[in-house]
Amino acid sequence: AQKVTQAQTEISVVEKEDVTLDCVYETRDTTYYLFWYKQPPSGELVFLIRRNSFDEQNEISGRYSWNFQKSTSSFNFTITASQVVDSAVYFCALSERKQGAQKLVFGQGTRLTINP
Amino acid sequence: DTGVSQNPRHKITKRGQNVTFRCDPISEHNRLYWYRQTLGQGPEFLTYFQNEAQLEKSRLLSDRFSAERPKGSFSTLEIQRTEQGDSAMYLCASSPRQGAVYEQYFGPGTRLTVT
Repeated sequence: AQKVTQAQTEISVVEKEDVTLDCVYETRDTTYYLFWYKQPPSGELVFLIRRNSFDEQNEISGRYSWNFQKSTSSFNFTITASQVVDSAVYFCALSERKQGAQKLVFGQGTRLTINP
Repeated sequence: DTGVSQNPRHKITKRGQNVTFRCDPISEHNRLYWYRQTLGQGPEFLTYFQNEAQLEKSRLLSDRFSAERPKGSFSTLEIQRTEQGDSAMYLCASSPRQGAVYEQYFGPGTRLTVT
């Protein structure tokens, strides 16, 4: 069965600090996809990144970076020089590539608060 | 470019009443998903449509829940005889094409409160 664990329930940092959100996943499939979504106070889930299991290259997009390590089944997300607008709940999710529903299995989320 | 829309945004109902929610996906997306999110939790999968066919239902979807996507465009989710435990945010998402895993784009959700 698929499972995503985000052990950090809440994180609070001061603006401009770097912060890393942890994500550990479990799956029996060799082909799978990992995602990060942001849920700001307005409530709408915003897609941030998708990564497939064959691509272990780290990715950087502006202040955001993602570290995918199959050996430890982790897909961590780092925000550099955090800003107040980064305050939100962040969800890591997993999807297996198979016939039928490619449903997302979400972690419980990490509430990130950036204080000015 | 319009995203996924959901109506109503909020619904308050009394226990035992029926409610219906609507989701309009992004127009070229043929896959549509319903999720439920309770306070402090991540979204949980409820059901999935590819075009008008409902291809998978979660065990979370009791027989009081029914979803339709009659013409492969918008979808409705109906809850009959609502219970207080049904109070949650109901999220709709859509994704394009077939044969590959694409990211799902979510609507703003319908928040249901059962009193």
